[in-house]
Amino acid sequence: QQPVQSPQAVILREGEDAVINCSSSKALYSVHWYRQKHGEAPVFLMILLKGGEQKGHEKISASFNEKKQQSSLYLTASQLSYSGTYFCGTEIASGSRLTFGEGTQLTVNP
Amino acid sequence: GAVVSQHPSRVICKSGTSVKIECRSLDFQATTMFWYRQFPKQSLMLMATSNEGSKATYEQGVEKDKFLINHASLTLSTLTVTSAHPEDSSFYICSARDPGGPGNIQYFGAGTRLSVL
Repeated sequence: QQPVQSPQAVILREGEDAVINCSSSKALYSVHWYRQKHGEAPVFLMILLKGGEQKGHEKISASFNEKKQQSSLYLTASQLSYSGTYFCGTEIASGSRLTFGEGTQLTVNP
Repeated sequence: GAVVSQHPSRVICKSGTSVKIECRSLDFQATTMFWYRQFPKQSLMLMATSNEGSKATYEQGVEKDKFLINHASLTLSTLTVTSAHPEDSSFYICSARDPGGPGNIQYFGAGTRLSVL
C-alpha cells in the first residue's frame, strides 16, 4: 500500500524551514527519501532503518518513528536548490520492493 | 553515491516500432534492478523487478509481452517496449539496488522520455 505524504505542496522563501511527512499503514523496515527535479531522475537523499534513528545530510535531516510508521524530512534554512519534488519510499522487509508516496512539491523562492 | 547510467535519454518513434532502453550500474554490481514508469506530476509506478540471470517479476497490470526485460549481466538490464503505441509515451526510469551499502539503497538512472507518434 502506498505511503501517504503531506503536504502535497509547499512554497517557501529562501532561508525558511519545512517539514515533509510520510505515513504508512504497514510496519516498515526502512524509509528512503529522494528529491526529483523536473525532467530528471530521483536523487537519493537518505535511508532510515527501523530503530527510530535520525539522520542528517547537510541542512536536511530525517527521523523515523517505528511505532507510528511515520517518517519526517526536515529542511532547514532552505536554499533555492532545494526546490523539487520529494518522494518517500517505504520498504516493509529487507530486500522487498520500494513503494513510493505521491510526492511533495517544494518550491523555494528568492 | 553510486552511478546508474540510462540510455537513451529521449526517443521519438513511430507507432508500431520497438524501442530498447538500457540501464547500467557503473560502479557496483546489481543483482536486482527496477523499471518504473512516471506520468507528469505523478509518483513512480513500479513496472517490474529485473533479476540477473532469471525472469523478471512484473507488477499486476503490466504486460510482460509488451515490456520485455532482460538482465543478462550484473551491470546491465534492458527494457524493450514492443510495438509501441501513443499510450506508451511516458517517462521510464530504471534503478539499481546497491548490495554493498547500508540498507537496500536504490540509485536511479537519468530516465528515458519516450514519445510515440
